[in-house]
Amino acid sequence: EPEVTQTPSHQVTQMGQEVILRCVPISNHLYFYWYRQILGQKVEFLVSFYNNEISEKSEIFDDQFSVERPDGSNFTLKIRSTKLEDSAMYFCASQPGQGQKGAYEQYFGPGTRLTVT
Amino acid sequence: GQQVMQIPQYQHVQEGEDFTTYCNSSTTLSNIQWYKQRPGGHPVFLIQLVKSGEVKKQKRLTFQFGEAKKNSSLHITATQTTDVGTYFCAGRDQTGANNLFFGTGTRLTVIP
Repeated sequence: EPEVTQTPSHQVTQMGQEVILRCVPISNHLYFYWYRQILGQKVEFLVSFYNNEISEKSEIFDDQFSVERPDGSNFTLKIRSTKLEDSAMYFCASQPGQGQKGAYEQYFGPGTRLTVT
Repeated sequence: GQQVMQIPQYQHVQEGEDFTTYCNSSTTLSNIQWYKQRPGGHPVFLIQLVKSGEVKKQKRLTFQFGEAKKNSSLHITATQTTDVGTYFCAGRDQTGANNLFFGTGTRLTVIP
C-alpha cells in the first residue's frame, strides 16, 4: 500500500539554523499538508498546498516558514531560523482530492522529530 | 479562531469495557474526521462524517455527527488492548478550505 515518507526521522539543530524537512507524498495525490505536534499536544495545521501553490496557512506559518514542491515527488518545509519553540514532530500529509477514492482522507507520514537546542 | 475540544483528555478502562470520547467545535463544521494515533506513531484516518445526525459503524466503533454539525462522538464497545492510543477528531470549517482543525485528543489506555 502506498505510503507518505518523510526524512529525516530526527533532526537536531541549533537555534538560528535553517532546516529543511522532506516529504514524498503518495503519487497521484493532489493536496499536501504540513502539520506539527508538540510533544503530548494536539496536531496543529501549518500549511496546505495545491496546484503548486499555498492554498491555506495558519498563524503559526509565519515568514520563517516556506514550502516547496521542487519536482513531481518531493514536498519540503523549510524553517529559516529555528527557535527553541519550533521543537516538535512535523507531519506531512497528502490527500487524493475530488474524483479519487477516499477523496478527503489525509494520509500522514511517520513524521520528523525536530529538536532545536 | 476555530477551536475543537475533546473530553475526556485521558481515559483508562479495563479491557472489555466501553469507551466514549466527545468532540465539540466552536463553529459549525462542513464535515468531521476521526484519526487514531498510536503511541509514537502518526495519525491514521478512521472515518469521515458529512451529514447532520450521521451515524457510522466500523466493527466495534460507532461514530456520530451532531445535528448542528458542531459536535461528534466516538464510541468503542468492548475495548481491546489494540485500541490503545489517542483519538483525535478533526473538522473542516465551512469556508471550503481543506485543512483540518484537530481536537485536543483523548488518550485511551486499556488495562488487560
